[in-house]
Amino acid sequence: QVQLQESGPGLVKPSETLSLTCTVSGYSISSGFYWGWIRQPPGKGLEWIGSLHHSGNTYYNPSLKSRVTISVDTSKNQFSLNLSSVTATDTAVYYCARGANDSRGYRLYYMDVWGKGTTVTVSS
Amino acid sequence: QSALTQPRSVSGSPGQSVTISCTGTSSDVGGYQYVCWYQQHPGKAPKVMIYDVSERPSGVPDRFSGSKSGNTASLTISGLQAEDEADYYCCSYAGSYTLIFGGGTKLTVL
Repeated sequence: QVQLQESGPGLVKPSETLSLTCTVSGYSISSGFYWGWIRQPPGKGLEWIGSLHHSGNTYYNPSLKSRVTISVDTSKNQFSLNLSSVTATDTAVYYCARGANDSRGYRLYYMDVWGKGTTVTVSS
Repeated sequence: QSALTQPRSVSGSPGQSVTISCTGTSSDVGGYQYVCWYQQHPGKAPKVMIYDVSERPSGVPDRFSGSKSGNTASLTISGLQAEDEADYYCCSYAGSYTLIFGGGTKLTVL
């Protein structure tokens, strides 16, 4: 059964780049699915950051697009998030997740497997 | 992209039904049959309860149902149970390979 695990620094300084990795076990990323990043600021709602198709294509939230890069390392079966020029408003729990696969095929817009999330605080 | 609009909170007694609304625009909710709903308990990752407006993933009780009219989608939970108390988020495909979430609704079971 597929499992996702986020990892990375829990504290990032303002103006620096936030870097997180999602390690996937139980399935090869390059074989299928969309793989995404979602965040949730403290006490607030969910925000989609972006997704990666198993072919390597990437799709980003327009409001974050200028600062976000999602990449994949198939040799480690991981995909990563880089968010540049962070401010306190980027403080959040960051989740990685897998897009669903149903009768319509691989789905971008809803996720059926999630990691447990990792808390990132932006502070000097 | 602005977040989809949900009521901040709803409540109901055990056994009752509640409905949570999710209002967007013709560019997201109204433009596609691609609306989903997540349930999130405190400190936990979201769990998808409804997709494609009204489809339930296997394992989700049929007490959960979804619908849509125009730019507004709805999640109805019938026969409320204590374990249904959670935050609920709608989501929608928003075109050009993007998606958008609602602001979330806190469901309290009285």
